[in-house]
Amino acid sequence: GAVVSQHPSWVICKSGTSVKIECRSLDFQATTMFWYRQFPKQSLMLMATSNEGSKATYEQGVEKDKFLINHASLTLSTLTVTSAHPEDSSFYICSALLAGADTQYFGPGTRLTVL
Amino acid sequence: TQLLEQSPQFLSIQEGENLTVYCNSSSVFSSLQWYRQEPGEGPVLLVTVVTGGEVKKLKRLTFQFGDARKDSSLHITAAQPGDTGLYLCAGLITGGGADGLTFGKGTHLIIQP
Repeated sequence: GAVVSQHPSWVICKSGTSVKIECRSLDFQATTMFWYRQFPKQSLMLMATSNEGSKATYEQGVEKDKFLINHASLTLSTLTVTSAHPEDSSFYICSALLAGADTQYFGPGTRLTVL
Repeated sequence: TQLLEQSPQFLSIQEGENLTVYCNSSSVFSSLQWYRQEPGEGPVLLVTVVTGGEVKKLKRLTFQFGDARKDSSLHITAAQPGDTGLYLCAGLITGGGADGLTFGKGTHLIIQP
C-alpha cells in the first residue's frame, strides 16, 4: 500500500513553454502533498507544500508564479512549471502524507529537461 | 546553512566491511527518517525513528536516534554490493506531520565486490 505515482516520468521541452507534472496517491487519500526538487548529485530540496482545497505554501526562494501548484482532490496534486528555462531542468519529486501519520511516501520522480 | 549535516558524503568500501553514516543537527526533530534512493527514482523509506535513544534494526542495517533527538546514525554490517545507493536522512522539526521534510545532503555509498 501507500503508492504514489508521477506522470510523466520524464519530459523534454523547449525554453519558454510550460510543463505540467501530476502526482497521484493511488491507494490512499492525501490531504497534504509535497513537491521537492533534486539537482544532480544533490539532495532533495522542499519547494512547496500542497494542501487539498487551499493555496500551496512555498519555501523561501521558490517563485509561486513560476511553479503553479493545484491540489484539487485528495489524490491528485499538479505542479506546472511555467515559462521553463534550462536552469529549471531538474528531477522533481512529490510525496504524499498518509493521513493520521507523519510518514511521507514518495513518487518515482519526473526528470525535466529544458532545451 | 545546512540544517542536517550528513557524513560522509561519499564512501566506497569492499564487500563484507562495516560502515556508519551520521546525520547531525543543532535542531531537535520530532521524527527522523532514513531513505535510500536509486538513480532516477524517488526515495524509498527505510525507517522512521521517533523516540530519543531509539534503536531499530532492519536486517543488516541498524538505525539509532540520539537521546536528544538531534542526531542519528545508520550502521551497515557486512555490506553487500546490493547496498550501493544514495542514503538520505530527513527530519521533521515540528510535532505535526504536515510539514515538508528537511533532507541531509546524502551519502553516496558504493560497495565493491
